[in-house]
Amino acid sequence: QKEVEQDPGPLSVPEGAIVSLNCTYSNSAFQYFMWYRQYSRKGPELLMYTYSSGNKEDGRFTAQVDKSSKYISLFIRDSQPSDSATYLCAMRTSGGSYIPTFGRGTSLIVHP
Amino acid sequence: DTAVSQTPKYLVTQMGNDKSIKCEQNLGHDTMYWYKQDSKKFLKIMFSYNNKELIINETVPNRFSPKSPDKAHLNLHINSLELGDSAVYFCASSQYETGGNTIYFGEGSWLTVV
Repeated sequence: QKEVEQDPGPLSVPEGAIVSLNCTYSNSAFQYFMWYRQYSRKGPELLMYTYSSGNKEDGRFTAQVDKSSKYISLFIRDSQPSDSATYLCAMRTSGGSYIPTFGRGTSLIVHP
Repeated sequence: DTAVSQTPKYLVTQMGNDKSIKCEQNLGHDTMYWYKQDSKKFLKIMFSYNNKELIINETVPNRFSPKSPDKAHLNLHINSLELGDSAVYFCASSQYETGGNTIYFGEGSWLTVV
């Protein structure tokens, strides 16, 4: 079992839909949780990060962490075709190596 | 201005050749990385440098040698290229105090070994 599991998709939704992207993990020591967006032929770019459990909102994006279930989510409201990309979750512990462990990414397609 | 730039973007080369990928960041960060993304999209850390010093060296063949002439540059040299080295290589940077929470990636270098 990989430390971070993420369904590769693709996830196809109509424009305007609410999108839910998820990751599960096995390492209970993870404390920081990140979401990156990667467009085709581009590098990942950070969308947001959260510390420990709870929610964080940034515009149309909401990140949610449930440490008891070892489950994190990214919600995208009013999805747009420009949101079509691969979304990678990443997470790391608070001590030791600060290098995050990445999920393999979920491919999202928002069609008009 | 491009924050993290790497060259070349595309590289096709034959097995056994030696090649280099250059990376520069203009964000003033003190930590730089090389990541490898394979065909299944897994993003794996290869090396990390902090203030020109190697701090992370994951299980990577000795044929891969990073070099950091200064804090703003981290180059990757690969000797005796093999078919399995075909992948996308990302350079990245961050500020040490933020840990790995805020990493800025370059646009990637697509390496194809034939």
